[in-house]
Amino acid sequence: AQRVTQPEKLLSVFKGAPVELKCNYSYSGSPELFWYVQYSRQRLQLLLRHISRESIKGFTADLNKGETSFHLKKPFAQEEDSAMYYCALRNTGANSKLTFGKGITLSVRP
Amino acid sequence: GAGVSQSPRYKVAKRGQDVALRCDPISGHVSLFWYQQALGQGPEFLTYFQNEAQLDKSGLPSDRFFAERPEGSVSTLKIQRTQQEDSAVYLCASSLPGPLGNEQFFGPGTRLTVL
Repeated sequence: AQRVTQPEKLLSVFKGAPVELKCNYSYSGSPELFWYVQYSRQRLQLLLRHISRESIKGFTADLNKGETSFHLKKPFAQEEDSAMYYCALRNTGANSKLTFGKGITLSVRP
Repeated sequence: GAGVSQSPRYKVAKRGQDVALRCDPISGHVSLFWYQQALGQGPEFLTYFQNEAQLDKSGLPSDRFFAERPEGSVSTLKIQRTQQEDSAVYLCASSLPGPLGNEQFFGPGTRLTVL
């Protein structure tokens, strides 16, 4: 069975500090990994996906198959990054369901 | 253009009542997903449609849950004889089909509270 683990519920940092949101997964095949974000009073939206290998809003995430991890990182946090972040997994090559972690609240203080 | 819309946004039901939740996907999106998000949890998959065909309903928690998409556009999630444990936010998402899969666009959700 596929599973996504986000070990922390809350991360609170000061503006300008580095951020790392942890995500580990278990899956027997070759998954697609995603980070979704939900800002206050907004809907869930895609932040980035590992196959794109791009940086969005200064965030990056590298898929580490050896450690089965997909941690989200940003070198200098901004107040507008405060939100709920969910890591998610999907079967490769299939338009199928997403399996989400429980999510982590990122709070960036001024 | 408009994104995924859901109605109602909030629904309060007494235990034992039936409820119907509606999802309007993005025009042209043939894939439609329903997820259930309990308080403090991530979304959990319920069911998936491609056009009008329900291809996966493995996540529906009981036979009280039923979903349909008769014309391949609007979808309705029905919950019969609601229980307190059904209280959650119900999310709908839609996407284009494709061999590599495509981004799922989420609606605002319907918050169901069962008293």
